[in-house]
Amino acid sequence: GNSVTQMEGPVTLSEEAFLTINCTYTATGYPSLFWYVQYPGEGLQLLLKATKADDKGSNKGFEATYRKETTSFHLEKGSVQVSDSAVYFCALILNTGGFKTIFGAGTRLFVKA
Amino acid sequence: EAGVAQSPRYKIIEKRQSVAFWCNPISGHATLYWYQQILGQGPKLLIQFQNNGVVDDSQLPKDRFSAERLKGVDSTLKIQPAKLEDSAVYLCASSIFYRDRGDGYTFGSGTRLTVV
Repeated sequence: GNSVTQMEGPVTLSEEAFLTINCTYTATGYPSLFWYVQYPGEGLQLLLKATKADDKGSNKGFEATYRKETTSFHLEKGSVQVSDSAVYFCALILNTGGFKTIFGAGTRLFVKA
Repeated sequence: EAGVAQSPRYKIIEKRQSVAFWCNPISGHATLYWYQQILGQGPKLLIQFQNNGVVDDSQLPKDRFSAERLKGVDSTLKIQPAKLEDSAVYLCASSIFYRDRGDGYTFGSGTRLTVV
């Protein structure tokens, strides 16, 4: 079946450290891939997206590249800030006669000053 | 632009009681979604409306869950009777188009339900 697997959290980093959150997927067909972020007490917000193989999505210093050969969409940021502390969700959307969104379990990130 | 409004923010009920959640989407958004987010898991779609019609309710436990969007604007999600495993955050989202590919979703802050 279709699924998204993320690395388990929490991830704890010091400010200015490099961030990687792994995401791999299983899908029939050709999904679009997304990263959403959920700050404390708020709803999910779209962070970045990629719609085809080798596309790179980027926003607010975060990047992720759609790797079809490894079925991965890892999230990276070169220098994290305390304000990046949140839960990050990887998701895919498939067109199966209608658009289906499947979310990963989420990875909580804590950034210490 | 006002966001997606949800109420209440928190609700604690005993098992076998009933509960209702309310969502008001962004003005002009034809598509409305209800998601269930259990602690430690990603959101799972319960039901999707296009205007006042149901597009997808394949994962809605229809023996206890119901939802309506009578006038194609705001929506209510009801659980009757509640079980312990219904404890979760219930998220509402809206988008302009039915075939939105995910970048047009706007989520509300959610309602946290605790069933004791």
